[in-house]
This record gives sequence, C-alpha cells and structure tokens, in this order.
Amino acid sequence: AQKITQTQPGMFVQEKEAVTLDCTYDTSDPSYGLFWYKQPSSGEMIFLIYQGSYDQQNATEGRYSLNFQKARKSANLVISASQLGDSAMYFCAMRESALYNFNKFYFGSGTKLNVKP
Amino acid sequence: NAGVTQTPKFRILKIGQSMTLQCTQDMNHNYMYWYRQDPGMGLKLIYYSVGAGITDKGEVPNGYNVSRSTTEDFPLRLELAAPSQTSVYFCASRAQTLAGSGEQFFGPGTRLTVL
Repeated sequence: AQKITQTQPGMFVQEKEAVTLDCTYDTSDPSYGLFWYKQPSSGEMIFLIYQGSYDQQNATEGRYSLNFQKARKSANLVISASQLGDSAMYFCAMRESALYNFNKFYFGSGTKLNVKP
Repeated sequence: NAGVTQTPKFRILKIGQSMTLQCTQDMNHNYMYWYRQDPGMGLKLIYYSVGAGITDKGEVPNGYNVSRSTTEDFPLRLELAAPSQTSVYFCASRAQTLAGSGEQFFGPGTRLTVL
C-alpha cells in the first residue's frame, strides 16, 4: 500500500486566492511526522511545514497551514493568498517513529500547482 | 555555511559505465539520504545512513552502492549504468532528533542521463 497519496496531479489557482493540496497517508504507527516540500522549476527541494502526530494544533508557517485530520489520515496543505511564485511542485512526506523505521521518509507523487495572474 | 552540496550537476553516461555522485554536508548531521526522482514523479529512497560506517537500503537500491566513512560525505556509486538509471539524484541530510521536525535539507541535485 502507498504510504503517501497525493491525488491531484495538477491544480490551478487564481492569484490571491487560497488553495488546498490534498495528502493522505497510511501508517499504523501512533507517532509520526508529516512534511510538505516545495520544488520550483529550478529543481531544489524547499521545506515548508511540519506536523507531528501528537501536535494538538494545526501547524502554520506564514501563508502555509496544514489541515491535519488524524482520524481521516489526511494532512492537506493550505496556501493562502496565492502568489505567482507559488507555482511549483508540492510534495507531501511522512516519517515514522523509532518503533517502526525512524530513519525513512516516504514521499508522495506530488501536485503541480499553477498560479494564474 | 554551504548546507548540502552535490557534484556533478549534470552527467551523461554510456551504458555500462560507472560513476560516483558526491554529496557533502557541513551541518554535522548524522543522517544522510540518497533519492532519485524520475520525471514527473516523487522521490524514491535509494540508500540512507545514520552515521559514519552505517548504511542501509531504501526502496530502490539495486544498481547502486554507498559508503559513509565520515560524517560529512556520503557518495553514491553507480556500477554498470543502465538507461533505467536516468534520473535526478538528490542527496539530503538531517539532524538526529526524536522531537521536533528533523526535516531533511536537500542538495541541488544531479541530473544523470544514461545513453
């Protein structure tokens, strides 16, 4: 089974609007971490935001927030007030705990976001 | 502070040739990783290391080898290159932490083509 599933290969959003990128995950580990990375066309991987499985509140970092629904095993990224520079590939990733395999990260297949002016 | 550096940036290999992709980090991170990213796809883990002298296989290790003699360096060796190894290769590192994010820091990638 896929550890991380991103069902939206591509998304369009109008500049200044909010957009939600979907991510679901699969683990039996009660302790895990969820990450979002941005990959612009230049190719580098940029860390955006982190959510721990025991964190009580949804993570926020500037215009990025993570809509964490533990029971549904979803960790959607919300980008508010989209900017042209947000056009990129976005990857969701998960790391499990020391009881499982603390050292491995699992990545989804990504969502390509295009911000329209 | 250079972070994670990778060399070369680009390389074209002929089938059957071998090469080593270099990765160095200056953040004193214990954990280091090698991923490959095929066009339009996510990252797949090739090998990883939890410290000098300790390495382990990821999802797609066949055709690759690694070594970790120092904390800073984690080279990836391709033996007998095949067209299926055409990909972008990313090296990453992260700090050892049981709390907090422990996010990975990525190098700029190496674009490899095997013809």
